[in-house]
Amino acid sequence: EPEVTQTPSHQVTQMGQEVILRCVPISNHLYFYWYRQILGQKVEFLVSFYNNEISEKSEIFDDQFSVERPDGSNFTLKIRSTKLEDSAMYFCASDRGSYNEQFFGPGTRLTVL
Amino acid sequence: KQEVTQIPAALSVPEGENLVLNCSFTDSAIYNLQWFRQDPGKGLTSLLLIQSSQREQTSGRLNASLDKSSGRSTLYIAASQPGDSATYLCAVCETSGSRLTFGEGTQLTVNP
Repeated sequence: EPEVTQTPSHQVTQMGQEVILRCVPISNHLYFYWYRQILGQKVEFLVSFYNNEISEKSEIFDDQFSVERPDGSNFTLKIRSTKLEDSAMYFCASDRGSYNEQFFGPGTRLTVL
Repeated sequence: KQEVTQIPAALSVPEGENLVLNCSFTDSAIYNLQWFRQDPGKGLTSLLLIQSSQREQTSGRLNASLDKSSGRSTLYIAASQPGDSATYLCAVCETSGSRLTFGEGTQLTVNP
């Protein structure tokens, strides 16, 4: 069964460094999303992406964040200058656009030291 | 702004019991509602999706209902098993292709 994959599973970085989190959505899906979950807190929406552009973003998704779909399969989230409070589990999700059932990847645990 | 609340925050039951998890949302103008399961340190597994026009959906021992006008959904788990132990999350989508807004989850423990 097709699934969303994410790499790496765990990323440790120093404060101020740039990180890129990678996702491969399900191949025939049209909408792509990033969410994050700080330990012990709710899953929070960051950004959605459709037709090669951002369709919606939350107040969390400031100028430090960017997303890209560099080719037909990958979807990336870049954090330009990481802060301690960026430490969280980051989830990628995709849906095919009918019924809009979102399927999530296993997540990347980002630890900022 | 949509807010999603789940009650109870935690639930512990003996194996074999039927149980109900509750989810409420503040804005009834939703497109659909999804229930997810999350195991510790893992991703989210979609369990059931209910469209706004539907009243319920069933998958195996799981049954989810939706009362859009009152802003409520329930997840019924029949004949619970230790393998059902996980956190169950409810999330609503307000328009096609838009964000999911999540509740805090119910942490379920099924004791053998």
